[in-house]
Amino acid sequence: GENVEQHPSTLSVQEGDSAVIKCTYSDSASNYFPWYKQELGKGPQLIIDIRSNVGEKKDQRIAVTLNKTAKHFSLHITETQPEDSAVYFCAASKRGGTGFQKLVFGTGTRLLVSP
Amino acid sequence: SAVISQKPSRDICQRGTSLTIQCQVDSQVTMMFWYRQQPGQSLTLIATANQGSEATYESGFVIDKFPISRPNLTFSTLTVSNMSPEDSSIYLCSVSGQPNTEAFFGQGTRLTVV
Repeated sequence: GENVEQHPSTLSVQEGDSAVIKCTYSDSASNYFPWYKQELGKGPQLIIDIRSNVGEKKDQRIAVTLNKTAKHFSLHITETQPEDSAVYFCAASKRGGTGFQKLVFGTGTRLLVSP
Repeated sequence: SAVISQKPSRDICQRGTSLTIQCQVDSQVTMMFWYRQQPGQSLTLIATANQGSEATYESGFVIDKFPISRPNLTFSTLTVSNMSPEDSSIYLCSVSGQPNTEAFFGQGTRLTVV
């Protein structure tokens, strides 16, 4: 089955710096890669996702890149702010047809943005 | 995105008892799922809640321990049965409108078993 590895487990940056979180997946058939942000005491919130037919997607300060050949994808946050501090999870799944394909999550990255 | 309400938000329970967690969505959704998130860990899928039929459980999870109901397209319950301290976790409901669309999460139920 699919296995998703995520690095680093913790990341500390200064406000205004960029942050990059990387994930690798094992199943070459995976074609959907979402990123979730989880703040303390809350459920995961979808912040951005990418499908395998594109290599990059951007939404304001957040971007995700995908390298299908190497089977890795990354989350990039620019101009970080203290409110970006949270745990970030990557995930992978195979989407297609009518069948459900479960999300497999990475181990999470705790991002701390210091003022 | 759908608005997902989970109840209770947290509870402290005695070992050997059972707790039922409710998940209510503000719109009809195709897929509903239950996840477990152990302290400081990632999310693990427990089962897919199927409307009108038995849930589909992932490896390591069984119906006797985690019975699930889904009577309609907007509501599901997860029961954690015969609890032990090892069941202390956050339990999360997730929904998706279609198999190929995004999955959204409720705020979770933080369970502590003493």
